[in-house]
Amino acid sequence: AQSVSQHNHHVILSEAASLELGCNYSYGGTVNLFWYVQYPGQHLQLLLKYFSGDPLVKGIKGFEAEFIKSKFSFNLRKPSVQWSDTAEYFCAVNADYGGATNKLIFGTGTLLAVQP
Amino acid sequence: DGGITQSPKYLFRKEGQNVTLSCEQNLNHDAMYWYRQDPGQGLRLIYYSQIVNDFQKGDIAEGYSVSREKKESFPLTVTSAQKNPTAFYLCASSIESGNTIYFGEGSWLTVV
Repeated sequence: AQSVSQHNHHVILSEAASLELGCNYSYGGTVNLFWYVQYPGQHLQLLLKYFSGDPLVKGIKGFEAEFIKSKFSFNLRKPSVQWSDTAEYFCAVNADYGGATNKLIFGTGTLLAVQP
Repeated sequence: DGGITQSPKYLFRKEGQNVTLSCEQNLNHDAMYWYRQDPGQGLRLIYYSQIVNDFQKGDIAEGYSVSREKKESFPLTVTSAQKNPTAFYLCASSIESGNTIYFGEGSWLTVV
C-alpha cells in the first residue's frame, strides 16, 4: 500500500538555522506531492506542491522542496528559519492510478519549534 | 467569503451516542474528504467523495458514515461503533480528485 514517511517527528532549531525536513513515499508511478503547514491554532494550509516540471519547487514564506524521483523523496528546505515558522509540517502524496480514484495520503507530521 | 465551513468547532458527546459533523463548501469543488488527525499519526482518511451521490471508504472508515446529497455538503456521522472517536476531524475539498486539497478549520470531538 502507498505510504508516506516523515522521519523527523520533532525538530528544534534556533532562528537563522537552516531547515531540511525529510519526506519519502512508497509508490513507483506518477505522483503529485505536497507540503502542508499547520501553525498553532490555525487550519492546515498549502505550503507548496509538485505536479510536474522543474523538480525544485518554491513555495510561500521562503520554503522550497526538491523532488528526487530516484530516491522517492520530496524534502522540504528553508535556508534561514524564523520564530514564526514554528508549526507542524505534513508531507502528502497523491498517486495517479491511471484514471482510477486517487486520494491524498499524509505523513505523520514533523513538529518544528524555532527558538528566538 | 469562499471556503470550507465545519461545525460545530467543539463537541462533547456521551459514549454510545451518534454524532454528526457538518461540512459545507462554497468553492464549487467536486471532491470532498474527511480526515481524522491524532497526535503522532498525522492525518488519516476516513471517507471521500469525488462527486455528488458517490463516496468511497478511506483507510479508517469503520464506525463512520457519510452522505453526499448536495455538491456543497458532506456531513460525517461518528457512530457508536467507532471505538475511539475522540479526535480532531478535518473536512477538505478539491476541484477534482488528485488536485490541491483545501481544509476547513476542523472540529474537536470529545466523547466521555
